[in-house]
Amino acid sequence: QSALTQPRSVSGSPGQSVTISCTGTSSDVGGYNYVSWYQQHPGKAPKLMIYDVTRRPSRVPDRFSGSKSGNTASLTISGLQPDDEADYYCCSFAGSYTWVFGGGTKMTVL
Amino acid sequence: EVELVESGGDLVQPGGSLRLSCAASGFPFSPYEMIWVRQAPGKGLEWVSHISDTYALSNADSVRGRFTISRDNAKNTLYLQMSSLRAEDTAVYYCARVSRSSNYKEFDFWGQGTLVTVSS
Repeated sequence: QSALTQPRSVSGSPGQSVTISCTGTSSDVGGYNYVSWYQQHPGKAPKLMIYDVTRRPSRVPDRFSGSKSGNTASLTISGLQPDDEADYYCCSFAGSYTWVFGGGTKMTVL
Repeated sequence: EVELVESGGDLVQPGGSLRLSCAASGFPFSPYEMIWVRQAPGKGLEWVSHISDTYALSNADSVRGRFTISRDNAKNTLYLQMSSLRAEDTAVYYCARVSRSSNYKEFDFWGQGTLVTVSS
């Protein structure tokens, strides 16, 4: 149950697009189409942004999108807005009702 | 409105025990799978435990044999019994609901967390 690998930080200017990667193994990210992404503002609870690799809850704007290739999943945020500045965590189902999170990425809007 | 409220966090000595609670409201509790996730100070999220609607349990390797998740559907409450606590168990503990909208593999509502500090 090793943590998924995410970049420590990414940044972009308002209106730009940024992509956050999440690398696992064939036992988690590569083995299941059950990758989810969570946004966490400082001092707040995480919020579900993407699930099943590409699906968005209805309340999440379509500026957020997800994808996967092999053992690496990605979250892309387009049209960056100031409120997108937060920590982002990927999470993958890893079989037998276990899950593994990524180490988190701090997203800075310049 | 879905609400999850954790309680029970405290300062406890190494080797001690603690029970966390998560009171659920705003949705039918019994059909939903539930989990605990923790976040050490300044660190990332770590999945801890899962309980199904049929009381099947799973735990992370880091807490197996020390932590036990349980639920009381009559009280709409999720629990985490923690024993043999270590300094590395210091964290904010969140309860979260497993979504039923798709394949039951993501967490759609979270509580605000309760802080557990293990220190002498």
